[in-house]
Amino acid sequence: ETGVTQTPRHLVMGMTNKKSLKCEQHLGHNAMYWYKQSAKKPLELMFVYNFKEQTENNSVPSRFSPECPNSSHLFLHLHTLQPEDSALYLCASSPEQGKRLFFGSGTQLSVL
Amino acid sequence: KQEVTQIPAALSVPEGENLVLNCSFTDSAIYNLQWFRQDPGKGLTSLLLIQSSQREQTSGRLNASLDKSSGRSTLYIAASQPGDSATYLCAVRNTGNQFYFGTGTSLTVIP
Repeated sequence: ETGVTQTPRHLVMGMTNKKSLKCEQHLGHNAMYWYKQSAKKPLELMFVYNFKEQTENNSVPSRFSPECPNSSHLFLHLHTLQPEDSALYLCASSPEQGKRLFFGSGTQLSVL
Repeated sequence: KQEVTQIPAALSVPEGENLVLNCSFTDSAIYNLQWFRQDPGKGLTSLLLIQSSQREQTSGRLNASLDKSSGRSTLYIAASQPGDSATYLCAVRNTGNQFYFGTGTSLTVIP
């Protein structure tokens, strides 16, 4: 148990659905991250929040919308996704940006 | 842009063997390097973190080394066990706070 909790663990959605992924950490960390992991590819950084402020947006399509209401919670809102968006979405936190990363177990997303 | 390569992509060894996993990176101006373990369908667990000023870090049967000038790191696993079977990833942090990941080495330890 890393202290970073992601829900749901699995999600199947149609291309017209709207859903949200949730990440929660009670480690007292100030930085939170969304990563995408696709088969045979390196982890891709999507977004970074440091002290609730977005500091990185790695050219992510607007159908992915992050939200960070406080330092402990991070959401990824999904709408009108494409089948190629199917992947494992990982949340991570660190004491501050750039320090050791602690990952959640991920949400396995399938877009039909 | 930093590129991280891990070779081999897959490795299979008998139980008890010592083994070395390799990680190379193209830009030597790094801040730190982390080794992670990932079990199938799960998140990543941080194993070791080496700061750019350090040469190695040890934790139990694991030893990670860093040669910044040549752009290489190795993860040494002593006396491998079936429970060590997983994918091992390395990630490099540049001075710009972003982590760059390799695609990992899938390790199978055969009982």
